[in-house]
Amino acid sequence: AQTVTQSQPEMSVQEAETVTLSCTYDTSENNYYLFWYKQPPSRQMILVIRQEAYKQQNATENRFSVNFQKAAKSFSLKISDSQLGDTAMYFCAFMRVGLGNKLVFGAGTILRVKS
Amino acid sequence: GAVVSQHPSRVICKSGTSVKIECRSLDFQATTMFWYRQFPKQSLMLMATSNEGSKATYEQGVEKDKFLINHASLTLSTLTVTSAHPEDSSFYICSARLAGGWEQYFGPGTRLTVT
Repeated sequence: AQTVTQSQPEMSVQEAETVTLSCTYDTSENNYYLFWYKQPPSRQMILVIRQEAYKQQNATENRFSVNFQKAAKSFSLKISDSQLGDTAMYFCAFMRVGLGNKLVFGAGTILRVKS
Repeated sequence: GAVVSQHPSRVICKSGTSVKIECRSLDFQATTMFWYRQFPKQSLMLMATSNEGSKATYEQGVEKDKFLINHASLTLSTLTVTSAHPEDSSFYICSARLAGGWEQYFGPGTRLTVT
């Protein structure tokens, strides 16, 4: 079974600064996707960024980028120029391709952006 | 596009009664829908996967007779919590996926309180 570990229960960052959220996962599969989801106080889940395991290049979406280390099974999220609206719970998630494409979520990291 | 709605957003029911939660894909046909449960400040736990026209597949430890899932059409799945008890109080989130797709589109969630 796949597991996803987020070792930082809470983090805080000053507005405009950069923060990195950590995630490690455990799998014996070779074909999978990794995701970061954001859940703001509204509780609506929002996809932040996606990484396909077969791609060596790290995914980037505007201020959000990942550091994907496949051999180390590490998948961290970097948020640059943090904004107040980034305050949310962030979940790292794993999806094995095939067999229902189910998501396995980490425990989450609460990120607070301070002004 | 790719909007998923849930109804109701909040529901309070008395212990021993049943409550139904609807999940609708508003602008696409969802061959697969997922139901999650989320306790306060915790992660999303997958309860079951439902495919249109077939029986739902429940995750280990989820009571099938208590959490009835029906995916009667390509745009609607329902979760019925039968004989609800206070320990069933939680936040329930659904997601929907297009045929052949990988992305799950999440609903806004339903807060269930059992008194």
